[in-house]
Amino acid sequence: TQLLEQSPQFLSIQEGENLTVYCNSSSVFSSLQWYRQEPGEGPVLLVTVVTGGEVKKLKRLTFQFGDARKDSSLHITAAQPGDTGLYLCAGAGVRNSGGSNYKLTFGKGTLLTVNP
Amino acid sequence: DAGVIQSPRHEVTEMGQEVTLRCKPISGHNSLFWYRQTMMRGLELLIYFNNNVPIDDSGMPEDRFSAKMPNASFSTLKIQPSEPRDSAVYFCASRHSTGTNEKLFFGSGTQLSVL
Repeated sequence: TQLLEQSPQFLSIQEGENLTVYCNSSSVFSSLQWYRQEPGEGPVLLVTVVTGGEVKKLKRLTFQFGDARKDSSLHITAAQPGDTGLYLCAGAGVRNSGGSNYKLTFGKGTLLTVNP
Repeated sequence: DAGVIQSPRHEVTEMGQEVTLRCKPISGHNSLFWYRQTMMRGLELLIYFNNNVPIDDSGMPEDRFSAKMPNASFSTLKIQPSEPRDSAVYFCASRHSTGTNEKLFFGSGTQLSVL
């Protein structure tokens, strides 16, 4: 079982602050995705990272895939109340080891609250 | 595009009753997934269909759970008989699988409460 651990579990900050959330595993993934989920809705994909060391930016959000493809981080600059939600990371199967790329393993998420 | 459509949005039932959850995937998508989300266990994959065929049902908790996909535009997840521990949010998701790293689209979920 490829376990993904996310930290912190809960995070409450003020508008304008910066924050980083983490997604860690002892397993290597072929790719890793980040989703945001708002109350009463399903997760929505933010980004997919594939290459070890890859950095992707989406406006104020910066995503990094670890060099060994075992971990990832999400950094938000100048957080806004609209960033509030549950941030989930999900890893796809290990390349060339029989792991199935269709099967995403999800972390339990970081629940972010940005207070105005 | 209407997105993945799930019904009902909320379901409250009594222990022992049969529950049927429904999903309409995005038109043109050939892969469909059923997930269950709880605070304790997060998002868990229950079953995966590709081209209407069940490929992996290893996540289905037990025989009380069954899923069907009679055609490309409809799937059901049935629990019979339901138990209080089945209470969770059930999500259906779909994607067009052409290789790897495709985007997964989730429905809004069905909040199931078994009393």
